[in-house]
Amino acid sequence: RKEVEQDPGPFNVPEGATVAFNCTYSNSASQSFFWYRQDCRKEPKLLMSVYSSGNEDGRFTAQLNRASQYISLLIRDSKLSDSATYLCAVNYGQAGTALIFGKGTTLSVSS
Amino acid sequence: DGGITQSPKYLFRKEGQNVTLSCEQNLNHDAMYWYRQDPGQGLRLIYYSQIVNDFQKGDIAEGYSVSREKKESFPLTVTSAQKNPTAFYLCASRDFGNQPQHFGDGTRLSIL
Repeated sequence: RKEVEQDPGPFNVPEGATVAFNCTYSNSASQSFFWYRQDCRKEPKLLMSVYSSGNEDGRFTAQLNRASQYISLLIRDSKLSDSATYLCAVNYGQAGTALIFGKGTTLSVSS
Repeated sequence: DGGITQSPKYLFRKEGQNVTLSCEQNLNHDAMYWYRQDPGQGLRLIYYSQIVNDFQKGDIAEGYSVSREKKESFPLTVTSAQKNPTAFYLCASRDFGNQPQHFGDGTRLSIL
């Protein structure tokens, strides 16, 4: 069975903290990896695509470890506005047909 | 503006009734998807379509039906056979290849 697993949290951190989430996947043939952010009662929005070994965008860094089959998301200098649920998604099927989503990790940043 | 439009935002279904959720995209994306999200749960794939007039069942297709008569439209019908339809329904589309999916803002379906 194809699975994507995430620690549900919640992760409660103060502003300015660095926090990291992991996501493990079971399909070794997966080629595409993504992190989405979902605010309460809203649709998921693409945060980052994860290419080759990793990707960085400002305070956010995503890394891929193919040998151990996990991707990680690092958030530096956390802001109150980073509070959300973070979903990882991994492709499966021919030509990246569909994505499997993890259940998400909830982050709460407090002042 | 380019994007994915879902309607209605909220929908109520009576017992024994079929309801149809609309999803339209003007991004010229080839592939379109329907997901269901229950509270505190991840997204589960209902149906997807990679080209016009073709679609595939996802993990939880029972009680649902779709059509793809036009590239920009992928409506989802929740039939009376779906006994637990209350959920947040999300439509997504994706360009060809390994591009990410982008989502509409969802439809919340409840039973009256």
